Amino acid sequence: DGGITQSPKYLFRKEGQNVTLSCEQNLNHDAMYWYRQDPGQGLRLIYYSQIVNDFQKGDIAEGYSVSREKKESFPLTVTSAQKNPTAFYLCASSGQGTMNTEAFFGQGTRLTVV
Amino acid sequence: AQSVTQLGSHVSVSEGALVLLRCNYSSSVPPYLFWYVQYPNQGLQLLLKYTSAATLVKGINGFEAEFKKSETSFHLTKPSAHMSDAAEYFCAVKYPGGGNKLTFGTGTQLKVEL
Repeated sequence: DGGITQSPKYLFRKEGQNVTLSCEQNLNHDAMYWYRQDPGQGLRLIYYSQIVNDFQKGDIAEGYSVSREKKESFPLTVTSAQKNPTAFYLCASSGQGTMNTEAFFGQGTRLTVV
Repeated sequence: AQSVTQLGSHVSVSEGALVLLRCNYSSSVPPYLFWYVQYPNQGLQLLLKYTSAATLVKGINGFEAEFKKSETSFHLTKPSAHMSDAAEYFCAVKYPGGGNKLTFGTGTQLKVEL
């Protein structure tokens, strides 16, 4: 089945540690996105990528990093510089053109800093 | 900067009543517009999208939305609410030629009461 897979579903991290969230898609989509979701704040864009080896900062990129070495994969690293990393993280992908412009989402990763 | 505003963070309706969730975008250029639904601890699912074709868009689960350029609005409606409609709803915007950046509103939590 085609779709987006995020792993792990739940992640615990100690303060000061970096952690990487995985996102893989087999939809052959060019664009991929990472969002952070906090109660009452909707989805805020962290980074997005339109094509392999290229990505742009979103609205809240500080403390995060990404890579896009393969079309299928867009991992997100939450670094120790992120002051408040506990949140629900969502990955999405979308195609090109009017007919394929909607985003498809993974099931999310809930990160908790302990 | 592209943005969408969702009026009302919480909306409560009776089962069988009309559902109306509001979304306004800020731009003089007609964008692509989307409505998504999210159930607890899950990713987002597309309800419907507007991509400059028909202004009245029908989606899944009996939802529809009308693009009104004069009001810069894209409100979501459903004639008769069902208990299973209780969820969080997000409006999102993308601009053609805007580099695939997808921006979400802050969401509206819909409660359906007996």
